[in-house]
Amino acid sequence: EPEVTQTPSHQVTQMGQEVILRCVPISNHLYFYWYRQILGQKVEFLVSFYNNEISEKSEIFDDQFSVERPDGSNFTLKIRSTKLEDSAMYFCASSDEGMRGYTFGSGTRLTVV
Amino acid sequence: GNSVTQMEGPVTLSEEAFLTINCTYTATGYPSLFWYVQYPGEGLQLLLKATKADDKGSNKGFEATYRKETTSFHLEKGSVQVSDSAVYFCALKTSYDKVIFGPGTSLSVIP
Repeated sequence: EPEVTQTPSHQVTQMGQEVILRCVPISNHLYFYWYRQILGQKVEFLVSFYNNEISEKSEIFDDQFSVERPDGSNFTLKIRSTKLEDSAMYFCASSDEGMRGYTFGSGTRLTVV
Repeated sequence: GNSVTQMEGPVTLSEEAFLTINCTYTATGYPSLFWYVQYPGEGLQLLLKATKADDKGSNKGFEATYRKETTSFHLEKGSVQVSDSAVYFCALKTSYDKVIFGPGTSLSVIP
């Protein structure tokens, strides 16, 4: 079964550093998403991306965050200057043109120290 | 706006007990409904889904029926196992929109 692949599985970074989380969506999917889950809390929507642009973003997705699809396969989330409160599990997801296929990756655990 | 409410738990059950986790939603239009499961230390796995009213999603002994009249999608399992211990998230999605998650229900099954 096709998978969404996220790397790395765990990243530790110092406060103020830039971090890039990487995702390889399912190849024929057109819609891409990032979510985050602070430990023990709700899964929160960050951003959706379609046709090479952001289609929707949440209040969490401020100027410190950006997304990019640098080539035909990768989808990245960049945090420019990490804060302690950015520590969370970040999930990438992709979807096809319908309500059927919506697949999450296994997540990247980001720890900001 | 769209939202999902579910019992937050934690829920503790003995093995082979009957499980119900309530979920209700508010949505414009006709959403698809999902249950996701998150095992300790792992990511989100789709457990089951239903895309229209009266559909029943089922997987691994779990079931949920899309009830439009009560805007509910309660998760049930007739006999839980220790391996079912996890956090369960009810969620909805409209069209190509984002998935909106409920707060999650932690389930612990004891032998």
